[in-house]
Amino acid sequence: LAKTTQPISMDSYEGQEVNITCSHNNIATNDYITWYQQFPSQGPRFIIQGYKTKVTNEVASLFIPADRKSSTLSLPRVSLSDTAVYYCLVRETNYGGSQGNLIFGKGTKLSVKP
Amino acid sequence: EAGVTQFPSHSVIEKGQTVTLRCDPISGHDNLYWYRRVMGKEIKFLLHFVKESKQDESGMPNNRFLAERTGGTYSTLKVQPAELEDSGVYFCASSDLAGAGNEQFFGPGTRLTVL
Repeated sequence: LAKTTQPISMDSYEGQEVNITCSHNNIATNDYITWYQQFPSQGPRFIIQGYKTKVTNEVASLFIPADRKSSTLSLPRVSLSDTAVYYCLVRETNYGGSQGNLIFGKGTKLSVKP
Repeated sequence: EAGVTQFPSHSVIEKGQTVTLRCDPISGHDNLYWYRRVMGKEIKFLLHFVKESKQDESGMPNNRFLAERTGGTYSTLKVQPAELEDSGVYFCASSDLAGAGNEQFFGPGTRLTVL
């Protein structure tokens, strides 16, 4: 089972671009890389998921190099409301193509300051 | 569309008592997951239902925990008898069977405190 390593915490100012890098050295061929965001007293919320290269949605981008041993979550122009814990997860694919269970790490606590 | 809901939001019980947590997934989601985070630790997987069947219960800590999903709709997680180390936040999540792109939608969690 692939494990992930990410910074414990990061600080940023409003309006800056924040990049959080996660390493997953023993990622398997069929693993997907998924990022979740969690606010205090709430359940984790899906942000973005990718397999290789670059994925972009309305809230973030995910950059995955060719060897897939790391990935970088990019949050453009963060605001105070982006203060949260961000989890990088490697998610296995089960037989038949369905997604496996999520294995959470400790996450990165992002603090955005005015 | 309503999200995943959990009840209660917080429960305080004494050691030895029984508690039942309930999760209502998003309507139409066949997959239902239970996770928990004990104090200061990571969120850990407990089990996974596909409809009413247990797909994977490898994360259940011991036989004091019983999860059910009769009819394939809502699910309950019963802890009997509760121990001090069971305190934590229990999350439920659901997803559909959309394949590689499906994401898990989490509920707000139930905070369980065992005294």
